[in-house]
Amino acid sequence: EAGVAQSPRYKIIEKRQSVAFWCNPISGHATLYWYQQILGQGPKLLIQFQNNGVVDDSQLPKDRFSAERLKGVDSTLKIQPAKLEDSAVYLCASSLDPRDHEQYFGPGTRLTVT
Amino acid sequence: AQKVTQAQTEISVVEKEDVTLDCVYETRDTTYYLFWYKQPPSGELVFLIRRNSFDEQNEISGRYSWNFQKSTSSFNFTITASQVVDSAVYFCALSEVGGQGAQKLVFGQGTRLTINP
Repeated sequence: EAGVAQSPRYKIIEKRQSVAFWCNPISGHATLYWYQQILGQGPKLLIQFQNNGVVDDSQLPKDRFSAERLKGVDSTLKIQPAKLEDSAVYLCASSLDPRDHEQYFGPGTRLTVT
Repeated sequence: AQKVTQAQTEISVVEKEDVTLDCVYETRDTTYYLFWYKQPPSGELVFLIRRNSFDEQNEISGRYSWNFQKSTSSFNFTITASQVVDSAVYFCALSEVGGQGAQKLVFGQGTRLTINP
């Protein structure tokens, strides 16, 4: 069974530029999560989708971050414009349903904003 | 609010030593789940264990064991006879009920474990 796929693995941009990350969850997993992991910290949930609907985006900085999961499968997370403090690893995870306690994580995208 | 504290930022031991990673949590929920994840240098979070709040039995899986004590709100993780491959960052996490009844994870800060040959 293929795991959670993410791309790109690494991205370097200048502040005020835009960037997008892509995630493809495990086949059949209805729930998809985006986490932000700043260096030296644990992951923090940004947004959670159930199929193509948003379940929780309470910690998403909506003035600059957006995410979509249009067909209920893969998802895109965008930052526009980026700030220095957005430098982090962005992790995507998926689970069978929102009550499923086991989340499967992708390898992450390491973003550096200069 | 839910909170997970991993007081040990870094631990370094020599191979074959036993090592315990501490985790203390705060929650008002009576039903909750606790987790441990391993994050090797590749970056991917690897699920290790899940325990629910009603099951305080200790668990052993090979060289790994977990001690859950509700009375002290702790869920500690012990690696016996550590190996170099155990080197990673380990995260303790607590589930809380988020929007629409969905579970969401709250992670601790992580403990960086280095096993030296």
